[in-house]
Amino acid sequence: FVLTQSPATLSLSPGETATLSCRASQSVGNQLAWYQHKPGQAPRLLIYDASNRASGVPDRFSGSGSGTDFTLTVSSLGPEDVAVYYCLAVSFGGGTKVEMK
Amino acid sequence: EVKLVESGGGLVQPGGSLRLSCIASGFNFNTYGMNWVRQAPGKGLEWISGLSDSGDGTFYAASVKGRFIISRDNSRNTLFLQMNTLRGDDTARYYCARDSGSDIRGYFDLWGQGALIIVSS
Repeated sequence: FVLTQSPATLSLSPGETATLSCRASQSVGNQLAWYQHKPGQAPRLLIYDASNRASGVPDRFSGSGSGTDFTLTVSSLGPEDVAVYYCLAVSFGGGTKVEMK
Repeated sequence: EVKLVESGGGLVQPGGSLRLSCIASGFNFNTYGMNWVRQAPGKGLEWISGLSDSGDGTFYAASVKGRFIISRDNSRNTLFLQMNTLRGDDTARYYCARDSGSDIRGYFDLWGQGALIIVSS
């Protein structure tokens, strides 16, 4: 089972929208989570069951998809969103690094 | 305060053993599944093991199965990871993570700060 995330790196300007993709090698239904990991910090759960925001997560973060194709969207990007984002279902994807231009 | 605190990290020789502990506080530890996740230097996150609330269900990634043992002591609110036959590629920061329910679903809503393990001679 493999989760493939794309792109590997996303470089955007403040205020733009980040669209991150996660593709599973076989269907996982909606059993997928998204995590944010900043350097020097513990990872943080953003999304569970593919589209439900975890407690305290701003509504700028949204998840969608089912089966094998999933998307995490981060709107109104700010410096606080610079991080590596991982999807997880059985195993973690390789991550997408979000940078600010 | 709701938190997880790992301990037991350090430097160990290849082939050696080490036991990590994770002490939970501020919540009903015995009603949550628990997990270990690691991150090797310059690499991504890797889930390595999970354990249901009662300890009946244990799960391992292929990379550690047969070498690592996960366990818990609900009377002491503590999760353990016994690591044997350690190799260089086990060098990583090891995080303790709480699952959102009693079983292992992959929704880790609480994390410790991690314990660093270096496997080197």
